[in-house]
Amino acid sequence: DARVTQTPRHKVTEMGQEVTMRCQPILGHNTVFWYRQTMMQGLELLAYFRNRAPLDDSGMPKDRFSAEMPDATLATLKIQPSEPRDSAVYFCASGGTGGQYQPQHFGDGTRLSIL
Amino acid sequence: QKEVEQDPGPLSVPEGAIVSLNCTYSNSAFQYFMWYRQYSRKGPELLMYTYSSGNKEDGRFTAQVDKSSKYISLFIRDSQPSDSATYLCAMSAFGNQFYFGTGTSLTVIP
Repeated sequence: DARVTQTPRHKVTEMGQEVTMRCQPILGHNTVFWYRQTMMQGLELLAYFRNRAPLDDSGMPKDRFSAEMPDATLATLKIQPSEPRDSAVYFCASGGTGGQYQPQHFGDGTRLSIL
Repeated sequence: QKEVEQDPGPLSVPEGAIVSLNCTYSNSAFQYFMWYRQYSRKGPELLMYTYSSGNKEDGRFTAQVDKSSKYISLFIRDSQPSDSATYLCAMSAFGNQFYFGTGTSLTVIP
């Protein structure tokens, strides 16, 4: 089965440090989504891309978060500087091409702890 | 008010019970309705999806959509311990951007 791959699976770092999370979408998928999941808020959409172009990043704190797709096989989410309130699980999902509805397939997430 | 509301539970049932999970929503433009299952320390996996109103059945799982009431349900028949997970509903108006519920935690007791 094709899968979305996220690295690292776990990250613990101190406040103020830069954090980079990576995602390899399913080959052939042209939409990529970044979500943050917390107990209180559930899944929150941070940003999404279609054909590597950012379509919506309104869910992302712009002063510290940035998302990019350097190429079709890699999406990155960076936090600089990191803060304790950024502690959460970050998920990447990808969706296929064609048709109005395309299910999103999730990776297993990066569990981030900021001390 | 959130776009999608879901009772977080937790829900605990004996093995073999029928489980009913529900979500309500406010945006009448939603037309795609999904249920995801999420095991501990894993990403959500798509369980079922329906387009517009009606029922859809897949094995022990039945998804129902009532657009007039803005209410969707997932029924699990003959629940198994392996069904223990968090279930998230998700909705979309145009197919790409999904709006998720916060999830309902389900435990099926052997």
